[in-house]
Amino acid sequence: NAGVTQTPKFRILKIGQSMTLQCTQDMNHNYMYWYRQDPGMGLKLIYYSVGAGITDKGEVPNGYNVSRSTTEDFPLRLELAAPSQTSVYFCASSYSTNQETQYFGPGTRLLVL
Amino acid sequence: TQLLEQSPQFLSIQEGENLTVYCNSSSVFSSLQWYRQEPGEGPVLLVTVVTGGEVKKLKRLTFQFGDARKDSSLHITAAQPGDTGLYLCAGGPRNTPLVFGKGTRLSVIA
Repeated sequence: NAGVTQTPKFRILKIGQSMTLQCTQDMNHNYMYWYRQDPGMGLKLIYYSVGAGITDKGEVPNGYNVSRSTTEDFPLRLELAAPSQTSVYFCASSYSTNQETQYFGPGTRLLVL
Repeated sequence: TQLLEQSPQFLSIQEGENLTVYCNSSSVFSSLQWYRQEPGEGPVLLVTVVTGGEVKKLKRLTFQFGDARKDSSLHITAAQPGDTGLYLCAGGPRNTPLVFGKGTRLSVIA
């Protein structure tokens, strides 16, 4: 099992550009999550999904969109990138409830200039 | 919004020393998780505690869940350089998204 994979590993965007961060898991997990991690700020939840076709906002959803068309994939879309979106983005998955073990991907480092 | 406060924020100790880090909440947890994150990687689960007063041991790491399920501690005995990393606690009410603390950044110097 590859676990949770994320692409790209690193990206530089100009202000106003858009991009999609990819996340795939091969553990047949129902729950998937997107977090951002800023220096000294821990992890903040952007969006999450409890199954294919179902998504919900987390603590910091503004400026982002998600979709969940399959169990395996949970892409995160940034429209009109802003410097405030410079961060490290982590995707995670868990088998069932939010209190189960979350398995994290290696992260995508995004710099918006 | 439930807040998780972790202390200390930074800790630098010599190899062989003992240390304790803390995680406190304003609300009751249904469960609490501790993760460790190494530079350039995602967090990895160390332990989940569920019952008030519960103590779990993982080699030199001892995790305790407060009786009221509002606080937790992580104690490391005889720290080693391999223990270096960011320690995150996470928890929340049942069936709600996990909330993460800001973490304790530990550096163990050989």
